[in-house]
Amino acid sequence: AQKVTQAQTEISVVEKEDVTLDCVYETRDTTYYLFWYKQPPSGELVFLIRRNSFDEQNEISGRYSWNFQKSTSSFNFTITASQVVDSAVYFCALYTGGFKTIFGAGTRLFVKA
Amino acid sequence: KAGVTQTPRYLIKTRGQQVTLSCSPISGHRSVSWYQQTPGQGLQFLFEYFSETQRNKGNFPGRFSGRQFSNSRSEMNVSTLELGDSALYLCASSFIRGDGEAFFGQGTRLTVV
Repeated sequence: AQKVTQAQTEISVVEKEDVTLDCVYETRDTTYYLFWYKQPPSGELVFLIRRNSFDEQNEISGRYSWNFQKSTSSFNFTITASQVVDSAVYFCALYTGGFKTIFGAGTRLFVKA
Repeated sequence: KAGVTQTPRYLIKTRGQQVTLSCSPISGHRSVSWYQQTPGQGLQFLFEYFSETQRNKGNFPGRFSGRQFSNSRSEMNVSTLELGDSALYLCASSFIRGDGEAFFGQGTRLTVV
């Protein structure tokens, strides 16, 4: 069975702090894709990053960075120097085929000025 | 390039009524997926269509149905509405869906009273 666990329900930080959102996934498939999406209050899910199971290279994009570790089935997301505009719900997701994406429960991030 | 467009954005219906939601995918995208988002259950997959064919369906009762037209636009229908159907319904479009990458619309917020 496929499963995505985001243990952190809510995180509150003060602006300019770094914050890491945790994601642990379960799958028996050897080929899969992992995603992070951001959902601002407007409701739209905004695509942030995709990683396939054969690419464990970690990535930095501006203030965002991702840490993919197959050994621990984790795909964590870090925001450096957080800003108020980063306040949103962040979803980790898993795709193993079948045209169906499995989402975690989401982590609500509050960034206070 | 226009994004995924969902109409209407907000809807209030009475128990027992039926409702039709519409989704226009990104131009050139042929796959459309639907998800239901509720505070209790999170994001749950409803169904996916490609070239007018339903390729996968989530674990929802038969009251939930969908279809896709030749221009890739999709509609989903919920009959005999129940209070528990109140949710944000999100549509996602993909070019092919082979790697799971999907772009989401802003959703339709359905309230059943």
